[in-house]
Amino acid sequence: DVKVTQSSRYLVKRTGEKVFLECVQDMDHENMFWYRQDPGLGLRLIYFSYDVKMKEKGDIPEGYSVSREKKERFSLILESASTNQTSMYLCASSFGGSPYNEQFFGPGTRLTVL
Amino acid sequence: AQSVSQHNHHVILSEAASLELGCNYSYGGTVNLFWYVQYPGQHLQLLLKYFSGDPLVKGIKGFEAEFIKSKFSFNLRKPSVQWSDTAEYFCAVMPYNQGGKLIFGQGTELSVKP
Repeated sequence: DVKVTQSSRYLVKRTGEKVFLECVQDMDHENMFWYRQDPGLGLRLIYFSYDVKMKEKGDIPEGYSVSREKKERFSLILESASTNQTSMYLCASSFGGSPYNEQFFGPGTRLTVL
Repeated sequence: AQSVSQHNHHVILSEAASLELGCNYSYGGTVNLFWYVQYPGQHLQLLLKYFSGDPLVKGIKGFEAEFIKSKFSFNLRKPSVQWSDTAEYFCAVMPYNQGGKLIFGQGTELSVKP
């Protein structure tokens, strides 16, 4: 079974803090993705990565950055957290090569910024 | 801009009723299509997918979906719902040659009354 794990289920941070969300997958997938999920808006893509040290902006990258130093790990960074970044964050991964593969999702991290 | 629209925000049904959830997308090129489901407190998981071939696809737990290319639609159906189908359902589109990224609809919350 594909397993995508995220470092925390719940996280509470203060405005202005630097926040790291970690994601690890154990299936040797090339592609990894970060989404945020908000009620009534569905999932929106923040950043994705095809390979180690590669990253691409998604639809809503402002206020976020990412890091992929190892194939299995993809980190989302909030440089200076703000209250409008309170959300559920989902990580996903998929096989590379063909772009036609389904994505497998982690359990999510519910981040609250006070 | 590419977008996915799910017509119903919240659907309430009684057990044994039939279900149809609408999904339309705006993208002129070739796409792969997905329905994901999120049961309360659980990961987002794949319900079914369409890549090519027969436009009527069958997924897990008795769900099916029909791709109608001329209508840019991919509606989800189930002939008889159960209480355990209570969940949030997301339609997603993967445009070709865009790195495998998914564009999600807003989600439809399904509540099934026993």
